[in-house]
Amino acid sequence: DADVTQTPRNRITKTGKRIMLECSQTKGHDRMYWYRQDPGLGLRLIYYSFDVKDINKGEISDGYSVSRQAQAKFSLSLESAIPNQTALYFCATSDTGSHEQYFGPGTRLTVT
Amino acid sequence: QKEVEQDPGPLSVPEGAIVSLNCTYSNSAFQYFMWYRQYSRKGPELLMYTYSSGNKEDGRFTAQVDKSSKYISLFIRDSQPSDSATYLCAMMSRGNFNKFYFGSGTKLNVKP
Repeated sequence: DADVTQTPRNRITKTGKRIMLECSQTKGHDRMYWYRQDPGLGLRLIYYSFDVKDINKGEISDGYSVSRQAQAKFSLSLESAIPNQTALYFCATSDTGSHEQYFGPGTRLTVT
Repeated sequence: QKEVEQDPGPLSVPEGAIVSLNCTYSNSAFQYFMWYRQYSRKGPELLMYTYSSGNKEDGRFTAQVDKSSKYISLFIRDSQPSDSATYLCAMMSRGNFNKFYFGSGTKLNVKP
């Protein structure tokens, strides 16, 4: 089984709808991250969490919220989806003090 | 100015060629330098990392860091069609709580 899983893998939704993307990990890492990837812009950090009680905004947090339900689970919500949130979303984990991040397979989100 | 700049390509080379991929950065506090490889419809995976300046070799791959010029490179020798992917550079500094900064990625196509 994959160490970092994301659900759903693909989602099409309409403008104004609320949507939640979920991430689970079995690596036992404390740190979890949400990124979005857009062509030409690379990976941009939305939110990150260094433990269950720690949530931090990244560079593009507007329009998004997160919840760290447990060490292994980190969900990303779009309260009212808009078309420019159409992107590929990745969850990642890392161990404290480590240089390496482990990425999930991504969620392709389309907002119409 | 973005903290990490990377030429998006695409870069197309014949099989067996030497490939050079590069990133520049502006933050002199970066100490860890990583290269991730991302195949189509997959999450990025760590390929190589280097701490501070110098070279690191792993099989056909060599990573170079020149901190005086704020410039890093990834060389691929004897490139193979299986090397066709997007390559992202990433950087972090210990003083920034393990936040990672990614380049936008260079798409590489190795033609058989």
